Amino acid sequence: DTAVSQTPKYLVTQMGNDKSIKCEQNLGHDTMYWYKQDSKKFLKIMFSYNNKELIINETVPNRFSPKSPDKAHLNLHINSLELGDSAVYFCASSQDWNTGELFFGEGSRLTVL
Amino acid sequence: GENVEQHPSTLSVQEGDSAVIKCTYSDSASNYFPWYKQELGKRPQLIIDIRSNVGEKKDQRIAVTLNKTAKHFSLHITETQPEDSAVYFCAASTEGGGADGLTFGKGTHLIIQP
Repeated sequence: DTAVSQTPKYLVTQMGNDKSIKCEQNLGHDTMYWYKQDSKKFLKIMFSYNNKELIINETVPNRFSPKSPDKAHLNLHINSLELGDSAVYFCASSQDWNTGELFFGEGSRLTVL
Repeated sequence: GENVEQHPSTLSVQEGDSAVIKCTYSDSASNYFPWYKQELGKRPQLIIDIRSNVGEKKDQRIAVTLNKTAKHFSLHITETQPEDSAVYFCAASTEGGGADGLTFGKGTHLIIQP
């Protein structure tokens, strides 16, 4: 069983479109995260939810909106996609807020044309 | 917020030799320092971590050292093997607290030459 799973794995879309990436964890963790990894491999945190409550909301454009329907799911919706949004987006979870190991999903590679 | 600097950005070593990757952090409140390995096209995975109450930790060919006074920590890999080729990330956080979560360094691309 995959611990942290995200879909889709690849996403190719046109500028201006809206897209969503879904993430689910079956580890029973309380905290979930979205990280963005750019072409230079830099991992930067975007959002964090603890028990469905937003903890971190880094300075990302408000075109990005996270949604956590329950503590096992954290989805990422992106409006009006831009070229600079092309990256790999990783979902992750940890047992509690900012505690111990982060378990990453496989990543979703977004390409905006 | 926390700032983590990582060096070098690329490291090439002969198979069998040792590799050392160094990181510095800025926030004296940080108390948790993990290292993640990311193979090409894969997810980052934790390989070792250290908390601020110890100065060194070993796990087979991998060791991590921490100098709290100087605010730096290092990853040491001995007897390197081809499967050690990957990007390695150091990170720092104030475990159980802090507002920023885990802050990552920019990564080191380790290349093991046969």
